[in-house]
Amino acid sequence: NAGVTQTPKFRVLKTGQSMTLLCAQDMNHEYMYWYRQDPGMGLRLIHYSVGEGTTAKGEVPDGYNVSRLKKQNFLLGLESAAPSQTSVYFCASRRPQGAKETQYFGPGTRLLVL
Amino acid sequence: RKEVEQDPGPFNVPEGATVAFNCTYSNSASQSFFWYRQDCRKEPKLLMSVYSSGNEDGRFTAQLNRASQYISLLIRDSKLSDSATYLCVVKDSGGSNYKLTFGKGTLLTVNP
Repeated sequence: NAGVTQTPKFRVLKTGQSMTLLCAQDMNHEYMYWYRQDPGMGLRLIHYSVGEGTTAKGEVPDGYNVSRLKKQNFLLGLESAAPSQTSVYFCASRRPQGAKETQYFGPGTRLLVL
Repeated sequence: RKEVEQDPGPFNVPEGATVAFNCTYSNSASQSFFWYRQDCRKEPKLLMSVYSSGNEDGRFTAQLNRASQYISLLIRDSKLSDSATYLCVVKDSGGSNYKLTFGKGTLLTVNP
């Protein structure tokens, strides 16, 4: 049981390049999330998904796209990277409700855009 | 008013000290409350849920005051390993219950 995994762990991009961050969870969770974390800003929700085939915008969706083709995977895409997207990106998943509402996070992806 | 506000910190305390963190939330309809812990350069992890009657887990005690929309975390007999950022987290009710709102966190450093 690996929990939530993220690929890659670290990446350097040049402005204008594109990339996809992969999140995978093996806990059969319905809800999945992408956050970014910047110094002094806390965790900010980029996009989320409440089930396979569904996605929705969070607080800071501009410049990002997502897809949830399979329940266990949630992909975050940057079509044209900008220096403002330099950040640590965390994926997370959880059950919709119930006694154990723990949200599990992946280890993060550190992205530097030059 | 921010949705979830925490003491800005940082807190620097000696080993063995008792330290308390406070948090306020703006949505009176919020349903569930948590404290998460985040070690340096690591992901956040659930420390404990916060129940209406208050709850304790070893050296950690969480309290909730719904009338004042206030949550607290008390750490007794601090250990070096308690050094981390503590995040106050609130889950809304109804149509927004998919979402957890995180405070910015309070950094705790426990010194030898």
